[in-house]
Amino acid sequence: QVQLVQSGAEVKKPGSSVKISCKASGGTLSSYAVSWVRQAPGQGLEWMGWIIPLFGAANHAPKFQDRVTITADDSTNTVYMTVNSLRSEDTAIYYCAKDLTGGTLGRGVFASWGQGTLVTVSS
Amino acid sequence: SSELTQDPAVSVALGQTVKITCQGDSLRTFSASWFQQKPGQAPLLVIYDKNNRPSGIPDRFSGSRSGNTASLTITGAQAEDEAVYYCNSRDRDNSRNLVVFGGGTKVTVL
Repeated sequence: QVQLVQSGAEVKKPGSSVKISCKASGGTLSSYAVSWVRQAPGQGLEWMGWIIPLFGAANHAPKFQDRVTITADDSTNTVYMTVNSLRSEDTAIYYCAKDLTGGTLGRGVFASWGQGTLVTVSS
Repeated sequence: SSELTQDPAVSVALGQTVKITCQGDSLRTFSASWFQQKPGQAPLLVIYDKNNRPSGIPDRFSGSRSGNTASLTITGAQAEDEAVYYCNSRDRDNSRNLVVFGGGTKVTVL
């Protein structure tokens, strides 16, 4: 079973950017859709977007289309997400999650999850 | 985008059966997955493709679908099943290649 290890907690100022990483061990991410899901304090899960590292193109939820960039480095088995123009409402735990099976399209069956990265946006 | 609607909370007596529902147009086309989340933990996949369980998930968890409604049933609920349960599916517009989550249902085991 692949393990996803995310980068550590971040504290950012409003208007700045944050880049979070998600590295796989014990397996490859290459042909699997890897998603980013966030959870604001006391709130539900919110899907942000995904990428299949082998193909490189990402899809983003409309809400995040303008501020979020998802990239992948297939050679290091790592997926990244950058959130720009941070605001206080972006304070949340950000999870990466890997689909159960690979393919040319993601399925949304998130079988493996990272441990989460807390991003705090505060002046 | 599509929406998936879940009841906010439900309670069940220890050892009894509880059914959690998830409603949305996308479920007419795509299967739901179900995730269990306990406080301070990442979500855990418990059901996918209507009624498949990943390895290690007890068989008291089962899934079904009827029309635009997917359901997760816990038969013989245990204390450790107390958690928030989320459903998700692909967006109903396949060309958009997106995923949507339900708002979550908090299950309390009495």
